[in-house]
Amino acid sequence: DAGVIQSPRHEVTEMGQEVTLRCKPISGHDYLFWYRQTMMRGLELLIYFNNNVPIDDSGMPEDRFSAKMPNASFSTLKIQPSEPRDSAVYFCASSLAGGNTDTQYFGPGTRLTVL
Amino acid sequence: SQQGEEDPQALSIQEGENATMNCSYKTSINNLQWYRQNSGRGLVHLILIRSNEREKHSGRLRVTLDTSKKSSSLLITASRAADTASYFCATDQAGTALIFGKGTTLSVSS
Repeated sequence: DAGVIQSPRHEVTEMGQEVTLRCKPISGHDYLFWYRQTMMRGLELLIYFNNNVPIDDSGMPEDRFSAKMPNASFSTLKIQPSEPRDSAVYFCASSLAGGNTDTQYFGPGTRLTVL
Repeated sequence: SQQGEEDPQALSIQEGENATMNCSYKTSINNLQWYRQNSGRGLVHLILIRSNEREKHSGRLRVTLDTSKKSSSLLITASRAADTASYFCATDQAGTALIFGKGTTLSVSS
């Protein structure tokens, strides 16, 4: 299995631009998680899906952030408009069952820099 | 929020020594997981210990859980340079989400 795939690996953009991060979970996994990692705040859960349905988006920082999962093999996290404080590494993870009873498999991350 | 807090924040040891890192959490849990993150990479699951377990082993890793003290420890025996990474504990909360601590950065020098 190829594992969780994320693209792009690096993204540099200017403030105000739209940013779209992509994730392909491991085939057969029912849960997909989006995290953001910064030095100051550590690893924060943004949103997670079960069977393509968003379950908890309470971690999404504000309305500029949105996430979709149109099918079992693809999810996007969009930031519009982007701001410098959005600079972070964004991880996607998937798990076969619920994350608290099962292993989460992380992608390599997307390093986002907003200038 | 129910978040694991690792201690120490940073640890430097020599190859062959044992490394111990601790995790404390605030409320009752069903299980606790440990993950490793190499620089510039995603997190990799190491071990899961359930609330009714007190100790678990996996290779050179030994995890203990003390639910009365709301704490867990991860011991890496006979450390190697390849063990250099950040280590995170993660605890469950209502639903299926995990809450991660800020991690312990381990540096093993040869």
